[in-house]
Amino acid sequence: NAGVTQTPKFRVLKTGQSMTLLCAQDMNHEYMYWYRQDPGMGLRLIHYSVGEGTTAKGEVPDGYNVSRLKKQNFLLGLESAAPSQTSVYFCASSYPGNEQFFGPGTRLTVL
Amino acid sequence: KQEVTQIPAALSVPEGENLVLNCSFTDSAIYNLQWFRQDPGKGLTSLLLIQSSQREQTSGRLNASLDKSSGRSTLYIAASQPGDSATYLCAVRIQGAQKLVFGQGTRLTINP
Repeated sequence: NAGVTQTPKFRVLKTGQSMTLLCAQDMNHEYMYWYRQDPGMGLRLIHYSVGEGTTAKGEVPDGYNVSRLKKQNFLLGLESAAPSQTSVYFCASSYPGNEQFFGPGTRLTVL
Repeated sequence: KQEVTQIPAALSVPEGENLVLNCSFTDSAIYNLQWFRQDPGKGLTSLLLIQSSQREQTSGRLNASLDKSSGRSTLYIAASQPGDSATYLCAVRIQGAQKLVFGQGTRLTINP
């Protein structure tokens, strides 16, 4: 099993550009999450999903959109990137109420 | 608002020592608590999950305890090895919510 995978691993954007981060899991987990990790701020939840076709806002959702068209995939979109969105993005998945498993992360720089 | 604190921020010990990492949280109404390790430039690896009804969990040389009433958890690492060097994060899941609230982590260095 690959677990949780994320693409791409690294990306550099210019302010105003858009991009989509892809998360995939092969553990048949119902729940999926997107976090960002910033120095001094720790990990914070952006959006999450409790099942195919459903999404919900987390702690810092502004500037991001998500979609969960298939159970195994969770996409994070940035419509107009800003320097404040420079961060490391982690995807995670879990069964309801159970431990969360994390992907390797995507390092995004917005110039 | 739930806040999670990990002290110390960094710890350096010689190989072979037993050590304890601390995690405290402000609201005892938690669903569970999870310990992770993070290697530099890598993702988070789940170490142990303790449900709110449990007092401790063990995996190999690791033992995690939970005292909800005092808002504390500890991660005990026995016979430390250089390969244990990493940042250790604790996170609590609030009752009725999906998100994990993370501490800032303890950066652990085991010296050969």
